[in-house]
Amino acid sequence: DAKTTQPPSMDCAEGRAANLPCNHSTISGNEYVYWYRQIHSQGPQYIIHGLKNNETNEMASLIITEDRKSSTLILPHATLRDTAVYYCIVRVAGSQGNLIFGKGTKLSVKP
Amino acid sequence: DTAVSQTPKYLVTQMGNDKSIKCEQNLGHDTMYWYKQDSKKFLKIMFSYNNKELIINETVPNRFSPKSPDKAHLNLHINSLELGDSAVYFCASRRESGANVLTFGAGSRLTVL
Repeated sequence: DAKTTQPPSMDCAEGRAANLPCNHSTISGNEYVYWYRQIHSQGPQYIIHGLKNNETNEMASLIITEDRKSSTLILPHATLRDTAVYYCIVRVAGSQGNLIFGKGTKLSVKP
Repeated sequence: DTAVSQTPKYLVTQMGNDKSIKCEQNLGHDTMYWYKQDSKKFLKIMFSYNNKELIINETVPNRFSPKSPDKAHLNLHINSLELGDSAVYFCASRRESGANVLTFGAGSRLTVL
């Protein structure tokens, strides 16, 4: 699996967009980019995933660069409840789902 | 209804005891997992079951034994508990086909004294 690199921590003001970067320069052509988050004392939660195209759902947007070597998760209007550790994971779809979690980015949304 | 439910949420026990953590999912998913999150917050996969068959068994001690009576349940039994087993254990499930979208339970915090 391609290795991912994320900043250990970020701050964001409440109501502003949170842009979380992820580098995955060794990604293969059939590997997807997945984002999960873990709010304190809860189980990880799926956010979004994509292969090549930008994706948007009710939680976030995922922007993947054309060369697919990096991506950005965007929370358009961060709230205090979005404070969590965000994990960027690269994995082949259907690969038995044994996701490999790194250290992630600790996002702190401040009032 | 909780999609993936684990019991107990908290478990405090002595070294050497045997304990079990139960997991049930009502999503109709085919694959279930156990993950361990240690004190440094690293999440690591332990086991994966697909339709009651073990398909992943990472390098965990054989004191840990998963049991899947049916595809909606995956229980984790731990023998001869050690201090290092203290962690939060997460159960998860996934549809067999499609993307790696896992639904996790709320976790079971095990403390071994």
